[in-house]
Amino acid sequence: AQSVTQLDSQVPVFEEAPVELRCNYSSSVSVYLFWYVQYPNQGLQLLLKYLSGSTLVKGINGFEAEFNKSQTSFHLRKPSVHISDTAEYFCAVSGSAGAQKLVFGQGTRLTINP
Amino acid sequence: DTGVSQNPRHKITKRGQNVTFRCDPISEHNRLYWYRQTLGQGPEFLTYFQNEAQLEKSRLLSDRFSAERPKGSFSTLEIQRTEQGDSAMYLCASSPGVAGELFFGEGSRLTVL
Repeated sequence: AQSVTQLDSQVPVFEEAPVELRCNYSSSVSVYLFWYVQYPNQGLQLLLKYLSGSTLVKGINGFEAEFNKSQTSFHLRKPSVHISDTAEYFCAVSGSAGAQKLVFGQGTRLTINP
Repeated sequence: DTGVSQNPRHKITKRGQNVTFRCDPISEHNRLYWYRQTLGQGPEFLTYFQNEAQLEKSRLLSDRFSAERPKGSFSTLEIQRTEQGDSAMYLCASSPGVAGELFFGEGSRLTVL
């Protein structure tokens, strides 16, 4: 079984500042890792995913994440945030075989202040 | 590709009534998932279909919940004898089964009075 812990429930930052949203996972098998974003009143959208290969993955809207197997982490970063990045961000893990269902963290609410 | 469609978007019902939600996945996707999301929490897995076969069910899915995908296309999630604790957003997602990426609908919000 897999589990995900997002270490911060809320992260306030100023516009154009860098941000890091932290995610740790637990699994006994090989995993795929994902970050999803949920804008107000919208469905979940995929930001980026790690399947294999390079541990630094780039996604949409200037976000990137780094897979660290030894620390079982998959932190999300953006060098300069915009007001439009205000949303709920979810880290998720799935097994690389079988149902491949996503197990989500509890989410981090990113609030951008002008 | 019109995306994953869910109906109704909002449902308000009285305790004890039955409700049904429908999900139309992306047409070429053979995998379909149902999740439940409550306020301030991440989505929780309920059940998974591959084509018409229901292959996995969460322990969260009590015997009042039933899901079907009769022809491997659309799916329905029925909740019988609703309880106030069933109030949540019910999310549907579909996947082509490659690399675990799920495409989500906008959800069906259930309020049980």
